[in-house]
Amino acid sequence: AQTVTQSQPEMSVQEAETVTLSCTYDTSESDYYLFWYKQPPSRQMILVIRQEAYKQQNATENRFSVNFQKAAKSFSLKISDSQLGDAAMYFCAYRGPFYGGSQGNLIFGKGTKLSVKP
Amino acid sequence: DSGVTQTPKHLITATGQRVTLRCSPRSGDLSVYWYQQSLDQGLQFLIQYYNGEERAKGNILERFSAQQFPDLHSELNLSSLELGDSALYFCASSVSAGKNTEAFFGQGTRLTVV
Repeated sequence: AQTVTQSQPEMSVQEAETVTLSCTYDTSESDYYLFWYKQPPSRQMILVIRQEAYKQQNATENRFSVNFQKAAKSFSLKISDSQLGDAAMYFCAYRGPFYGGSQGNLIFGKGTKLSVKP
Repeated sequence: DSGVTQTPKHLITATGQRVTLRCSPRSGDLSVYWYQQSLDQGLQFLIQYYNGEERAKGNILERFSAQQFPDLHSELNLSSLELGDSALYFCASSVSAGKNTEAFFGQGTRLTVV
């Protein structure tokens, strides 16, 4: 079974600095997607960034970028120029191929709580 | 606003009771997923429907059931509720069950069982 592990329950960063959140996963599949979701105190799950496993290029969305290491099954999130609004829970998620019992559902890590200090 | 609507936002009920959570997906989305977020189990996939049919099952208890109606809204029914069922229940929708589709989440229903 696929698993997603986030080894940092909490992280802290100074405003305007850079922080990296770690995520590792386990799968025997070669075709899958990886995501980072943000959950602020409002509870809304917000998609931050996604990576397709067959693409070697790391995804980037403005201040957010990933370091995708397929062989190592590692998928870290880098937040540059951190802002107070970045404070939230961040969840790493895996989505497998669409066959068998998997129909696109997400498998989530336990999350990392990010605090941003002014 | 993701376009996915969940009602109610909060629900408090007693053990042994039954509740129904409702989800209206984004316009045009055929696929609906239900997730449970609890402190001890984290975010877990419960069940998925696609265009009215059940497509995949995750860690859903037998006391729980769901359905998707012809207008594509979905309901999650939780019965014989226990204290441990207290959690945030999310609905997510996507346009299809295809590979390159993004799931949009509702704001969740906070269920408290007392």
